[in-house]
Amino acid sequence: QKEVEQNSGPLSVPEGAIASLNCTYSDRGSQSFFWYRQYSGKSPELIMSIYSNGDKEDGRFTAQLNKASQYVSLLIRDSQPSDSATYLCAVTLNQAGTALIFGKGTTLSVSS
Amino acid sequence: GAVVSQHPSRVICKSGTSVKIECRSLDFQATTMFWYRQFPKKSLMLMATSNEGSKATYEQGVEKDKFLINHASLTLSTLTVTSAHPEDSSFYICSASNFGDSRYSAQHFGDGTRLSIL
Repeated sequence: QKEVEQNSGPLSVPEGAIASLNCTYSDRGSQSFFWYRQYSGKSPELIMSIYSNGDKEDGRFTAQLNKASQYVSLLIRDSQPSDSATYLCAVTLNQAGTALIFGKGTTLSVSS
Repeated sequence: GAVVSQHPSRVICKSGTSVKIECRSLDFQATTMFWYRQFPKKSLMLMATSNEGSKATYEQGVEKDKFLINHASLTLSTLTVTSAHPEDSSFYICSASNFGDSRYSAQHFGDGTRLSIL
């Protein structure tokens, strides 16, 4: 059973702080890793993708991947109230047509 | 880039009605499209995977005769909920990707269709 685990939260941080979101996965064959943001009542929006160990930065977002520990994280710097949403971690095997396996998501609340 | 359009955004209809939902990739060719269902405060549950020109692959527990999926072209997939009942009320979301093109290998989601069966 392939699983992706996330703390459901809510994770509450003050505006301007760093929000740290964590995710673990069970299948060592996982090759591609994604973070999606989902606002209430909306569909997921891709924020970051990461495929190799280490850090990947894009603006205020940094994804970190450690395949040995089967761990992927998302850091949000200078958190804004507009970042308040549910963040979904998703992984997939690196095979064409393979579906994403989603975690249940972590709800982030950024207070002003 | 990577825009996926889903239509309609909301449907309210009577029990027993069949409902068709369209998913279009507007600026890329989608070799694979996925259909998900999401209940309130729950994560996305994959229903089926469809590759252009092939029959869809359904996840365990999803009735293929009830949820008809057609992926006739590289830009369009449809999901038809046949003889819908109140328990089919949910948020249905499609995603599209092209695993042969690194620009679109991640899944990009449509805006979803909120289906309410009375």
